[in-house]
Amino acid sequence: GNSVTQMEGPVTLSEEAFLTINCTYTATGYPSLFWYVQYPGEGLQLLLKATKADDKGSNKGFEATYRKETTSFHLEKGSVQVSDSAVYFCALGGSNYKLTFGKGTLLTVNP
Amino acid sequence: KAGVTQTPRYLIKTRGQQVTLSCSPISGHRSVSWYQQTPGQGLQFLFEYFSETQRNKGNFPGRFSGRQFSNSRSEMNVSTLELGDSALYLCASSADIYYGYTFGSGTRLTVV
Repeated sequence: GNSVTQMEGPVTLSEEAFLTINCTYTATGYPSLFWYVQYPGEGLQLLLKATKADDKGSNKGFEATYRKETTSFHLEKGSVQVSDSAVYFCALGGSNYKLTFGKGTLLTVNP
Repeated sequence: KAGVTQTPRYLIKTRGQQVTLSCSPISGHRSVSWYQQTPGQGLQFLFEYFSETQRNKGNFPGRFSGRQFSNSRSEMNVSTLELGDSALYLCASSADIYYGYTFGSGTRLTVV
């Protein structure tokens, strides 16, 4: 079946540091890949997506590229802010009508 | 455009009781899914509905059930509540599952 493995953290960075959160997946077929973010006490927000190999999703300075050859979808941001502190989830979805999530990575950014 | 609305936001129930959670999807979204989030198990898929038909179901006991109405609104029911059912229950809707789901803020269920 489908599965997602992501760096569990927690990750602690200083403001303006470079962020990478690794995500790899196992899937049958041609899934879409997503990064979701969850702030304390809230639901999940879609951060970015990629629907096919070599697509790059981007939003709010975050980027991730759908790499079929390495089955990866790593999240990156060049300069993090305190407001980026949250839990980040990598997920895949497709023809089985459900999202499969990684365990989440807690990011804390200190001023 | 209104987002996904879940009611109630918080709920406290006693073991053995049953509970019904409600979800109103984004207008025009016909796919509605439910997820359970706990610190130990993370995000787990419960079920997905499209045009009142369940298309997929997760690995949960039969005490967990759901349904979708003709206006795409959905409810999930948990009968004979157990302490382990305490969790954040998230509803998500989608117009095209390959392009992502929009989640509601969730219902925090506490079973005592």
